[in-house]
Amino acid sequence: EIALTQSPGTLSLSPGERVTLSCRASQSVSSYLAWYQQKPGQAPRLVIHNVSKRATGIPVRFSGSGSGTDFTLTISSLAPEDFAVYYCQQRSAWPYTFGQGTKLEIK
Amino acid sequence: EVQLLESGGGLIQPWESLRLSCAASGFTFSTYAMSWVRQTPNKGLEWVSTLTNGGTSYYTDSVKGRFTVSRDNSISTLYLQMDSLTADDTAIYYCASNLQYGGTWSGFFDSWGQGTLVTVSA
Repeated sequence: EIALTQSPGTLSLSPGERVTLSCRASQSVSSYLAWYQQKPGQAPRLVIHNVSKRATGIPVRFSGSGSGTDFTLTISSLAPEDFAVYYCQQRSAWPYTFGQGTKLEIK
Repeated sequence: EVQLLESGGGLIQPWESLRLSCAASGFTFSTYAMSWVRQTPNKGLEWVSTLTNGGTSYYTDSVKGRFTVSRDNSISTLYLQMDSLTADDTAIYYCASNLQYGGTWSGFFDSWGQGTLVTVSA
């Protein structure tokens, strides 16, 4: 099973700041990595798939990069609605696995 | 607008069975692979099962032999039959559609239901 480790666990930031979240895989997942956003009481929402492809309706301030085992999600300028938990997920091998999440909180 | 509506969750005794349903609308259900993903505070998000539009099913190891995923395309509904439930199966269960990308289904989930809570406890 491919383990995904996200860092940091929590980030305290202010609106307007730039943020980069990290996801590291225990073995290569090629380009088969996605990011999800989850707000309290809601289901996850697909943000980025295949490392860098924005999902439908996702603002351009969200971008993804990486390959192999190291990936990042960058939000260029945090909007108030971006404060949430972000999860990475790989589909390179069964079983599909998720990271444990990074929580973005308002400073 | 894509909508996925899960139902069937509840409180159930260990070793009993439960069937979850997911009613889909707003897209051509029969052409999509569909999945179940569960979430707990301790274990986080966990992929459970995927059923392709061609009828091939996949399961995570911990539910193999106990859970069965199925679909009825005539009523755009996905099911998860869960047998021999244990406390470890306690979770919010989400139904999700698999992203179609590059002309085929992928293992990413582009629409999610609101989830249904399954609690296994004596």
